[in-house]
Formats: sequence, structure tokens, C-alpha cells
Amino acid sequence: AQSVTQLGSHVSVSEGALVLLRCNYSSSVPPYLFWYVQYPNQGLQLLLKYTTGATLVKGINGFEAEFKKSETSFHLTKPSAHMSDAAEYFCAVSEVYGNKLVFGAGTILRVKS
Amino acid sequence: DTAVSQTPKYLVTQMGNDKSIKCEQNLGHDTMYWYKQDSKKFLKIMFSYNNKELIINETVPNRFSPKSPDKAHLNLHINSLELGDSAVYFCASSSRGNQPQHFGDGTRLSIL
Repeated sequence: AQSVTQLGSHVSVSEGALVLLRCNYSSSVPPYLFWYVQYPNQGLQLLLKYTTGATLVKGINGFEAEFKKSETSFHLTKPSAHMSDAAEYFCAVSEVYGNKLVFGAGTILRVKS
Repeated sequence: DTAVSQTPKYLVTQMGNDKSIKCEQNLGHDTMYWYKQDSKKFLKIMFSYNNKELIINETVPNRFSPKSPDKAHLNLHINSLELGDSAVYFCASSSRGNQPQHFGDGTRLSIL
């Protein structure tokens, strides 16, 4: 069975600092990996995805993530945090031949001025 | 031009009642989903339909019944509501199984 672990339920950074949100997954088949962001009282918005090919993927709002098979990780980064990045971030995995998303527990990002 | 729309946005009702949540997508997607987000923000899939056919049915009480009249709609009917059903329910759609899923804004269900 697939699973996702997000280390740190809360992450706090200063504005302009590096953002690093950690995600590790387990999957018995090559995974598809996703990062979603959820702002308060809103739905989930796709930040980026990894399917096949280049392991460093770039998403919206300056975010990027790197798929590392040997570490079963898909950490999300952004070089410089902005106040508008404050939200909850979810990492998710799906099977190559399946179609359900398995989500991590989420990480709340707080950006301090 | 909302891509995935759910109604209602908020639903407050009493234990034992029956209620429905509607979902529509105008993206031309073939696959639609229902997810439940509990009070701890944990998201878990409930159902998935592909071209009106049920393809995923997780361990969900049979009080929950999805219905897909066409591939652009996936409604969720809940019978005999219980306190534990209080959650935010999200509808999503995708063009095929492993393409990114697009989410609606959620329906916040509160059981009194």
C-alpha cells in the first residue's frame, strides 16, 4: 500500500528565507508525486507534479521539488519565502496504473515578517 | 468559469437527516472523485468514477452513496447523518487516472 509522510506538521520561516517542506513516500510501483497547496477555506491547488523524466520539477509561485528515488523523497523548496506562501501544503502519491491520490498529513507553513 | 464547483459550500444539519452534495466540472474530464478532509485536515479518498462507472470505493459506510448522472457530475448522498460525518468534502476531477486532479472549494458539513 502506498503512504506519504510529511515531516513537520508546522514549519515557520522568515520572509525571504528558504522554504523546505519534506515529503517521503512508499510505493511498490513507480509513483506519480504531487504537491498541493490549500489556503484557508479553499480547495487544493496543484503546485507541481512528477510523473516521469526530469527529476527536478518546477511549479507555480517559484516552488520546485526533486524526486529522489534512492531516498524515496519528494521535498518541496522555494528559495525565498513570501508572506503569501503561508498556507497548508500537501504531498500526495498515486500509482502509475491507479488513480487515487494518497495524501500526507499536511504541513502548515507560517511566514514571519 | 469555475472548473470544479460544489454546492452547497456550507451545510449545517441535524443527526439522522439525509443530505446531498452536488459536484459539477466543466473541464471535460472523464474521472471524478470525492475526498473527505477531517478535523485534522487529513484527506482521504472515498469514491472515484470514470465515465459514470464506479472504479474506487474505499471503506466508506454504505450510508454514503455517490451518483454520477453523466461524466460532468458526481453527487454524494448521505443517509442518516452522524456526528462523525462532520468534515469538509472535496470533489475533484482529472482527465485520466494519473493526470493532476482539480479540486473544488469543498463543502463544509456540520452535524448538530
